[in-house]
Amino acid sequence: GEDVEQSLFLSVREGDSSVINCTYTDSSSTYLYWYKQEPGAGLQLLTYIFSNMDMKQDQRLTVLLNKKDKHLSLRIADTQTGDSAIYFCAESDKSGYALNFGKGTSLLVTP
Amino acid sequence: EAQVTQNPRYLITVTGKKLTVTCSQNMNHEYMSWYRQDPGLGLRQIYYSMNVEVTDKGDVPEGYKVSRKEKRNFPLILESPSPNQTSLYFCASSLGPPGAGRNSPLHFGNGTRLTVT
Repeated sequence: GEDVEQSLFLSVREGDSSVINCTYTDSSSTYLYWYKQEPGAGLQLLTYIFSNMDMKQDQRLTVLLNKKDKHLSLRIADTQTGDSAIYFCAESDKSGYALNFGKGTSLLVTP
Repeated sequence: EAQVTQNPRYLITVTGKKLTVTCSQNMNHEYMSWYRQDPGLGLRQIYYSMNVEVTDKGDVPEGYKVSRKEKRNFPLILESPSPNQTSLYFCASSLGPPGAGRNSPLHFGNGTRLTVT
């Protein structure tokens, strides 16, 4: 599949904001997703954004989309220790039959 | 509760001994898929199924088989497992294909950690 790029690690202090960045490749992707994976668990859908939107807010989560640069970001406000997990960005691939995932950003929240 | 159920959660086996990992979903989803997750490689799709009796290869299908005889079940079969198939496997399902142009997010099972010695 095509490459979806994410930074591998991010460490923040509890209470600060976290910003996880992603660049994707397929400009025709209709939806872009953020998934969260806690240790020993499957991927859980966090939020998504439709490609004709620039921003979506969902409680502590804000997704920003820059279609021109193919850049997606996830901001977590007031980050808590329970937010420590791996976060995956995903786009639908060219065939439309799969999601292309980034390699995941491991977020560590320290007290 | 809407869910994707995989079994077993953990499996240790030896090279060449056939095994099946089961996957079942209770959401009446048409689309189902298998991924493997490996360190440094992320998630890669093995096989997917658009509906009953309709399956197709993903990015890394070699060494795997699937079947879709019923809508709810999508087992992954390793006829002759090898050590390079040691991995964490995820089954996922969605209403339709992820890129169908409508919001069709994937719902994942909790994973099966397979070790082949």
